[in-house]
Amino acid sequence: NAGVMQNPRHLVRRRGQEARLRCSPVKGHSHVYWYRQLPEEGLKFMVYLQKENIIDESGMPKERFSAEFPKEGPSILRIQQVVRGDSAAYFCASSRQGWTNEKLFFGSGTQLSVL
Amino acid sequence: GQQVMQIPQYQHVQEGEDFTTYCNSSTTLSNIQWYKQRPGGHPVFLIQLVKSGEVKKQKRLTFQFGEAKKNSSLHITATQTTDVGTYFCAGRAGGSQGNLIFGKGTKLSVKP
Repeated sequence: NAGVMQNPRHLVRRRGQEARLRCSPVKGHSHVYWYRQLPEEGLKFMVYLQKENIIDESGMPKERFSAEFPKEGPSILRIQQVVRGDSAAYFCASSRQGWTNEKLFFGSGTQLSVL
Repeated sequence: GQQVMQIPQYQHVQEGEDFTTYCNSSTTLSNIQWYKQRPGGHPVFLIQLVKSGEVKKQKRLTFQFGEAKKNSSLHITATQTTDVGTYFCAGRAGGSQGNLIFGKGTKLSVKP
């Protein structure tokens, strides 16, 4: 039973480059959430997606950030033209059903470092 | 917007001592969840509370949900070094369809 798989675990980018973070949910889960965590901080909600649909993107910065969850393949969080302030741990979580009383299963995260 | 506050931010205890972390929401919650994140790890679900005044126990851990469903607590009896980590509460407002908002967590260190 594979859990939520995220890759890469560590990603180093220079300012202005693009970062692509991938997330494969638990098998059978069709709801994916992305959270961002800064050191010594909590988890800040970014976006909630269901297959091929963005359900809630209220936590996503308006520019440079986008997310998708295609019918086939992993969910992708894309950050264009990265800046130093984008350095953080990005966690993906999945659930069998959507925003209900479901618990979230988290992946191991991607640590993004922007030089 | 909805805020979930957690105190204390840090707690250092001697092994065997008790530990409590508190979670307060600015709005009434439909439910609250607790997660534990070990150093360098990812959040792992511990429990969910739904009913007003609910109390749940998991071995040495006791979780409470306030009567007004705006606060919650996690109490660990006789801490062990394996309890080290950051404990997050996460509250859901807006009925059962609301966004899950995480507190900043309480980082627990246990001295053997």
